[in-house]
Amino acid sequence: ETGVTQTPRHLVMGMTNKKSLKCEQHLGHNAMYWYKQSAKKPLELMFVYNFKEQTENNSVPSRFSPECPNSSHLFLHLHTLQPEDSALYLCASSTRTGADTQYFGPGTRLTVL
Amino acid sequence: RKEVEQDPGPFNVPEGATVAFNCTYSNSASQSFFWYRQDCRKEPKLLMSVYSSGNEDGRFTAQLNRASQYISLLIRDSKLSDSATYLCVVNMGWQGGKLIFGQGTELSVKP
Repeated sequence: ETGVTQTPRHLVMGMTNKKSLKCEQHLGHNAMYWYKQSAKKPLELMFVYNFKEQTENNSVPSRFSPECPNSSHLFLHLHTLQPEDSALYLCASSTRTGADTQYFGPGTRLTVL
Repeated sequence: RKEVEQDPGPFNVPEGATVAFNCTYSNSASQSFFWYRQDCRKEPKLLMSVYSSGNEDGRFTAQLNRASQYISLLIRDSKLSDSATYLCVVNMGWQGGKLIFGQGTELSVKP
């Protein structure tokens, strides 16, 4: 399935590095989301975009910086991360914010050394 | 109290067994309810929605009790391929429709 794609699939970075995660959805949806999934913890919603506009920032530290240039693309820029930021980062999309069904990408497994 | 809470698991069952997962949610104004499935090292995918009248999809039956704020998922005649983590998900409509995920219950079906 290629409805929502994410790159890279795996990323290892040092605490001083700058990297970006990319998400692209081919479903014609208007809402996109970033989630963080740490081991043994529920998915944590990070950011929500609706028609390219950020509608929610769930108290995410500024070392995570999202960017949504259009309704199909979503980026997560990473800078001076901490080891506890190591997790699976999942992108999702839906027809609109508040829609019942979200479609997830395969995720980027991030390791911060 | 967690917004969505599930059985801790893991559940280890033999093929053919019937297994039930429970979930409770804290906000009585929640709008809609779902079960997602997440395979190991994969993304979550919608398994089924949950309706007040109860609904069935093959071997899977989901039920909702709004009065008790309780959701369940029953899997009959479990298959090896059912092994996964099952996520209880609630749409908190009052917060602009955010999906709130439970921590998941891991199921392992053994031959």
